[in-house]
Amino acid sequence: QKEVEQDPGPLSVPEGAIVSLNCTYSNSAFQYFMWYRQYSRKGPELLMYTYSSGNKEDGRFTAQVDKSSKYISLFIRDSQPSDSATYLCAMRWGGNQFYFGTGTSLTVIP
Amino acid sequence: GAVVSQHPSRVICKSGTSVKIECRSLDFQATTMFWYRQFPKKSLMLMATSNEGSKATYEQGVEKDKFLINHASLTLSTLTVTSAHPEDSSFYICSAGGTSVGWEQYFGPGTRLTVT
Repeated sequence: QKEVEQDPGPLSVPEGAIVSLNCTYSNSAFQYFMWYRQYSRKGPELLMYTYSSGNKEDGRFTAQVDKSSKYISLFIRDSQPSDSATYLCAMRWGGNQFYFGTGTSLTVIP
Repeated sequence: GAVVSQHPSRVICKSGTSVKIECRSLDFQATTMFWYRQFPKKSLMLMATSNEGSKATYEQGVEKDKFLINHASLTLSTLTVTSAHPEDSSFYICSAGGTSVGWEQYFGPGTRLTVT
């Protein structure tokens, strides 16, 4: 079983839709949860991070962590064509090694 | 935020030759640098972790004699793919972290290697 599971998609939504991206994980020691956005042929950039369980909101983006279910989500409200990218979840337990999901490819259609 | 650069962004080389990729932290001191490999529609695969002035720690299955990593300064790490073969063609991404930037890793823009 992989440490982090993420549906690769692709996911295609109309502009303005609410997007839900999800990851599950197996290691209950993970404490830090991140979402990265990666545009084509570019390196990932940090979008959101959360420590332990709970929600975090930043503009149109909301990150949720449910440690009891080992499940994390990223919601994008009022999605825009510029949100079209691959979204990677990542987690760490405290050391400096990150564990990444496979990434979900998102296309927002104008 | 902190900036990490990679050079070259794209390289094409012939089978059997060696290729060096540079990763630089431009505005902070990177005590730790990471090298990843990414296949199309696949996740980032950690190849090795290097701390400045120390030998790199390679992940299981990564040939250290083939993928030479040098982290000689707090702002520069290099990955040399020796005797490259077509199966080494991939997207290589570095990331850098340091005490001044906390736990976060800052990623470079990646290098697309094509071995013909």
